[in-house]
Amino acid sequence: RKEVEQDPGPFNVPEGATVAFNCTYSNSASQSFFWYRQDCRKEPKLLMSVYSSGNEDGRFTAQLNRASQYISLLIRDSKLSDSATYLCVVTYNTDKLIFGTGTRLQVFP
Amino acid sequence: EAQVTQNPRYLITVTGKKLTVTCSQNMNHEYMSWYRQDPGLGLRQIYYSMNVEVTDKGDVPEGYKVSRKEKRNFPLILESPSPNQTSLYFCASRPFPGTSFGTQYFGPGTRLTVL
Repeated sequence: RKEVEQDPGPFNVPEGATVAFNCTYSNSASQSFFWYRQDCRKEPKLLMSVYSSGNEDGRFTAQLNRASQYISLLIRDSKLSDSATYLCVVTYNTDKLIFGTGTRLQVFP
Repeated sequence: EAQVTQNPRYLITVTGKKLTVTCSQNMNHEYMSWYRQDPGLGLRQIYYSMNVEVTDKGDVPEGYKVSRKEKRNFPLILESPSPNQTSLYFCASRPFPGTSFGTQYFGPGTRLTVL
C-alpha cells in the first residue's frame, strides 16, 4: 500500500463549479499535511498547509481527518487557472516529505 | 529574488556517460534534496542534505551521488547513467529546522533522457 494515495483523476469540471479531492495516508504517526500545486511540467509549489481544525484560503478549503487518516481540498468557484495537478504531502518526521502522485484537475469554459 | 536554480534544464545523453546536474539556492537554506518524478510514481526523494558535508540517502539513491561542499550548492551526479534514469528531476531546499518545513522551494526541473 502506498504511504499517500490520491485519485489520479482527471477531474473535468466547468468554470464556477465546486470540486473536492481526497487524499489518504497510511502512517498514523503522520505529523504535518500540505497541498502542493503543480502545473504541467513545472515545479511543485506550496498551495496551503492543512491544520487539524481545517483552514481556508480564499476559494480553497483544506480539512484533516486524523481518525480516518485523510485530508481533503475543496475548491469553490473554479477558475480556468485552477487547472493543474494537486499533490498531497504528508510528513512524519522532521526530515522527509512524502508526496502523493497527484490529482489532475481540468477546468473547462 | 529567492530561488532554486538547476542546470541544465534539458539533457539528452547516452548510457554510461557521466553527467552532473547542478543545483543552487540563494536563500541560505540548510536542507536540500533531490527528487525524481515519474508518471504514476510521483515525486521520490533520491538524496538529501541537512547541512554542509551532511548527506543521506532518500528512497531511490541507487545510481546517484551527491555532494554538499557549500551551503548553496547541491549537485547530483550520475556516474554511469542508464535508460531507467530517464526522468524529470527536481532540486529543492528549505530551512531546517523551520517553522513550517512543508514550505519547500523547488527548482524548475531538469528533464533527462538517457538513450
